[in-house]
Amino acid sequence: EPEVTQTPSHQVTQMGQEVILRCVPISNHLYFYWYRQILGQKVEFLVSFYNNEISEKSEIFDDQFSVERPDGSNFTLKIRSTKLEDSAMYFCASSGPGQETQYFGPGTRLLVL
Amino acid sequence: QKEVEQDPGPLSVPEGAIVSLNCTYSNSAFQYFMWYRQYSRKGPELLMYTYSSGNKEDGRFTAQVDKSSKYISLFIRDSQPSDSATYLCAMGDAGNNRKLIWGLGTSLAVNP
Repeated sequence: EPEVTQTPSHQVTQMGQEVILRCVPISNHLYFYWYRQILGQKVEFLVSFYNNEISEKSEIFDDQFSVERPDGSNFTLKIRSTKLEDSAMYFCASSGPGQETQYFGPGTRLLVL
Repeated sequence: QKEVEQDPGPLSVPEGAIVSLNCTYSNSAFQYFMWYRQYSRKGPELLMYTYSSGNKEDGRFTAQVDKSSKYISLFIRDSQPSDSATYLCAMGDAGNNRKLIWGLGTSLAVNP
C-alpha cells in the first residue's frame, strides 16, 4: 500500500539554524500539506500546496517558513532561522485528485535547543 | 468558542466494550469530517471519512454526523486492546484549500 514517507525521523538543531524537512508524498497525489503538533496540543495546519504553488497558509507560516517541490517526488519544508517554539512534530500529508482525504507521513520530531 | 472541541479523556474501557467518541464544532461551513487514529509518537492514520449527515460503517467502526447539531461521533464495537490509541477528529470546508481543523484527540485505553 502506498504511503507518505518523511525524513529525518528526528532532528535536533540549535536556535537560529536552518532546517529542511523532507517528504515523499504518495506518487499520484496532487495536493500536499504540512501540519505540526506541539506536544500535548492540537494538530495545526501550516500550509497547503497545489500545482506548484501555495494554496493557503496559516498565521504560523510566516516568512521564516517556505515550501518547495524541487522535483517530481519530494516536498520540503524549510525553516530559515529556528526558534525554541518551533520544537514540534511536523507531519506531511497528501491527497489525490478530487479527494479531501489526507494521508499522513510518520512525522519528523524537531527539537530546537 | 473553539472551532472544534473534543474531550481529551483519558477513556478506559474493558475489552469487548462499545466505545463512543465525540466532537462538536462551531463552523457551519464544515462539509467533510474525518476520524484519525494516532499511536504514540506516530502520524495520524485515517480511519473514517464522511461528507454528509448520517452514518457510515466500516467493520467495527461507525462514523455518525449530525450537521444540525454540529456533532460527530465515532463508535467502536467489540473494542480490542489494539484499539488503544488517541482518536482525533478533523474537518474541513468545501473550498479549494482543503485545510483540516482538528480536535485535541481522545486518549483511549482498552484493557484486556
